[in-house]
Amino acid sequence: QSALTQPASVSGSPGQSITISCTGTSSDIGGYNFVSWYQQHPGKAPRLMIYDVSDRPSGISDRFSGSKSGNTASLTISGLQADDEADYYCSSYTSDSTLLFGGGTKLTV
Amino acid sequence: EVQLLESGGGFVQPGGSLRLSCTASGSDFSTYAMSWVRQAPGKGLEWVSAIRRSGTTTYSADSVKGRFITFRDNSKNTLYLQMNSLRADDTAVYYCAKEWTYMDVWGKGTTVTVFS
Repeated sequence: QSALTQPASVSGSPGQSITISCTGTSSDIGGYNFVSWYQQHPGKAPRLMIYDVSDRPSGISDRFSGSKSGNTASLTISGLQADDEADYYCSSYTSDSTLLFGGGTKLTV
Repeated sequence: EVQLLESGGGFVQPGGSLRLSCTASGSDFSTYAMSWVRQAPGKGLEWVSAIRRSGTTTYSADSVKGRFITFRDNSKNTLYLQMNSLRADDTAVYYCAKEWTYMDVWGKGTTVTVFS
């Protein structure tokens, strides 16, 4: 299966909001509510930011929110801060009982 | 909170084998699934495999199916990835992670380099 489709880069100014899209198919994003989002700073391990489309793990700021419509999931970050600058990856469970990641989006603040 | 520590990475020639380990802190290792995810240099994340908490069921990406084996020893709080028939494109940082439809705890990763 091909990776989920994310924009290569997005940018925003401090305090602004941005949205990162993640497009798949009816066999992954569209078929299941198992979409998650990860933040990765350079040289670090990924960190879970959103799971099951829109749930936030304990300790994650409510500035981060997730949603899904059809075959496309989205991550919105409001009130951008300098530390939000990182790579962001979406992932989804698939009908093959596998997991698929997006290609990643570099966020510049 | 669970902490994960990978080990076993290194340099290997094409066609060779390597076994990675991931040891979890805490006493409830047998209650959650585990995953392996890799990241080639300068590239994005790629899911490799997952194993259910009992160890009886595993799932693998097509890119490693038939070459990599995922298994666990719950008595040792340890997850393993046996990598056989290694290729240059298996070169990556390998992370273990807790759970698999979403991965809420990650190790720091171990580097595997396949070169001739």
